Amino acid sequence: GENVEQHPSTLSVQEGDSAVIKCTYSDSASNYFPWYKQELGKRPQLIIDIRSNVGEKKDQRIAVTLNKTAKHFSLHITETQPEDSAVYFCAARGFSGGSNYKLTFGKGTLLTVNP
Amino acid sequence: GAGVSQSPRYKVAKRGQDVALRCDPISGHVSLFWYQQALGQGPEFLTYFQNEAQLDKSGLPSDRFFAERPEGSVSTLKIQRTQQEDSAVYLCASRGGTGVTYGYTFGSGTRLTVV
Repeated sequence: GENVEQHPSTLSVQEGDSAVIKCTYSDSASNYFPWYKQELGKRPQLIIDIRSNVGEKKDQRIAVTLNKTAKHFSLHITETQPEDSAVYFCAARGFSGGSNYKLTFGKGTLLTVNP
Repeated sequence: GAGVSQSPRYKVAKRGQDVALRCDPISGHVSLFWYQQALGQGPEFLTYFQNEAQLDKSGLPSDRFFAERPEGSVSTLKIQRTQQEDSAVYLCASRGGTGVTYGYTFGSGTRLTVV
């Protein structure tokens, strides 16, 4: 099945700096890559997603890039603010075994934005 | 409703006790998923329903775990003879359809603690 690796596990930045989180996946047929933000004790919330026919997508201060050849995708947050502090999860939806519905998640990155 | 609703929010069970966790998906959502999230980890897939049919239960850890969605809306995850390793947050997610354009919406989860 699909395997997703996420780095780094923790990331600390100063307010206003950029943050980058990277993920790799194993199933070359995966076609959907969402990023979720999860604050302590709350539900994972979708912040941005990208499909395999697109290389980059941007939404205000958040962008995601996808390199299908290398099977990796990254989340970029610019001009970070303290309210960006949370755990961020990447995920991939693979096709192996016909399971084109199942999201496989990375282990998460704890982002801390210091004022 | 407006979102995915899960109950109870917190459950403390004595080892060996049976528990039942409920998920109310967004009205009309065809697909429903259960995920298990251990402390400090990403969500791990448990099972998938399309309407009332359980199409994938490959992630259920043991035969003590059972899920149902008899009328294709509300779902219940049941854990029999709970053990300490069952302690985790159990997340439910739903999707409006099966096509690639449909996103996943998560509930706030049920935090199960087995003592």
